[in-house]
Amino acid sequence: GQQVMQIPQYQHVQEGEDFTTYCNSSTTLSNIQWYKQRPGGHPVFLIQLVKSGEVKKQKRLTFQFGEAKKNSSLHITATQTTDVGTYFCAVAKSGSSNTGKLIFGQGTTLQVKP
Amino acid sequence: NAGVTQTPKFRILKIGQSMTLQCTQDMNHNYMYWYRQDPGMGLKLIYYSVGAGITDKGEVPNGYNVSRSTTEDFPLRLELAAPSQTSVYFCASSYLGRQNSPLHFGNGTRLTVT
Repeated sequence: GQQVMQIPQYQHVQEGEDFTTYCNSSTTLSNIQWYKQRPGGHPVFLIQLVKSGEVKKQKRLTFQFGEAKKNSSLHITATQTTDVGTYFCAVAKSGSSNTGKLIFGQGTTLQVKP
Repeated sequence: NAGVTQTPKFRILKIGQSMTLQCTQDMNHNYMYWYRQDPGMGLKLIYYSVGAGITDKGEVPNGYNVSRSTTEDFPLRLELAAPSQTSVYFCASSYLGRQNSPLHFGNGTRLTVT
């Protein structure tokens, strides 16, 4: 079945340092979504990547979709304490873009020391 | 707009009791989902629905039942509660066109089974 691995599981950084989380799939993906969950909150949609090699930016956040559409990354430049939370990728298997059956990675929890 | 509304926010059940977690959305979304999130873990898909009258199993459906009689409502039923069902439950909805669209999550229901 569809499997998605997300690494690292935890990351502690000093405020101002960069942070990257990776999402790897065993199968080709039709698209990938990224979510952020603040402590005690619910996941909130950040972005969706669809095209091979796609790169999207949101202020200090850079999202990449691999050329083979099997992996993705989220990079945060110069972290701030407001970046604290857990970042999830969510995927649908290639050829199933319309099923809605989104599978979430285990998440990467980011802690930022001020 | 209220978005996705879940009730109750918290519940404690004894082993063997049953309950229904309520979820309603006012965005006219066709897709609805139930996820569970165990402490420090990612989200596991329990059931999902692509429209009124249609439901399908996710990754971890055992011990749960769902129904989708209307577009707005997607209740999750636990018939014989077990300690393994202690978790935070999130309902979500999306509008699915040609590609997966973002999931909108409710605030969650924190369930403890003792």
